[in-house]
Amino acid sequence: DIQMTQSPSSLFASVGDRVTFTCRARQRIGTSLSWFQQKPGKAPTLLIYQASILHSGVPSRFSGSGSGTDFTLTISSLHPDDFAVYYCQQTANNNALTFGGGTKVEI
Amino acid sequence: EVQLVQSGAEMRKPGESLRISCEGFGFTFTSYYITWVRQLPGKGLEWMGRIDPSDSYTVYSPTFQGRAAFSADKSISTAYLHLYGLRPSDNAMYFCARHRAHDNLFDFWGQGTLVTVSS
Repeated sequence: DIQMTQSPSSLFASVGDRVTFTCRARQRIGTSLSWFQQKPGKAPTLLIYQASILHSGVPSRFSGSGSGTDFTLTISSLHPDDFAVYYCQQTANNNALTFGGGTKVEI
Repeated sequence: EVQLVQSGAEMRKPGESLRISCEGFGFTFTSYYITWVRQLPGKGLEWMGRIDPSDSYTVYSPTFQGRAAFSADKSISTAYLHLYGLRPSDNAMYFCARHRAHDNLFDFWGQGTLVTVSS
């Protein structure tokens, strides 16, 4: 399996802050990476796929970058609705689609 | 509108089995895989595997091989997760998601089904 490591595991931020968090793959995965947002008690929602493509309906304050083993998700200006847990997921290995451990964005 | 609607919360005793359903609306069910994801209480997401409803071909994560099974009835656009020999450690939220085959994209998710195993 391709292990995915996210950092930090949690961070504290304020409305309006620019936040960036990272996801590292144990082996090179090109741009085969998705990002999800999950709020308490809800299903995850897709934010970004192929490392940098914004899913339909996702606000433009979200952006993704990276390739190979290192990836970042940036929120340019935190909104109150953005306090949530964010997961990366590699989509390179068809038979083992692994998630990172998540980054919790707290007030 | 694309939707995946899962069956409701379940409670079972250890050793029992259960089946969770995931019904698709607003898209051609056989044009996508359905993937299953487990989330233990307070923990992250774990991919369990996926099924192709067009032919019921399945792929399982090694972690879940032998303890979970997937099936699908394409005539009613519904996929199923079967869990056997339930243990308290199976207490979790289980999600289905629409899985785009060519790029492994999970673009729409069910609302989740909470499973509680307790004697």
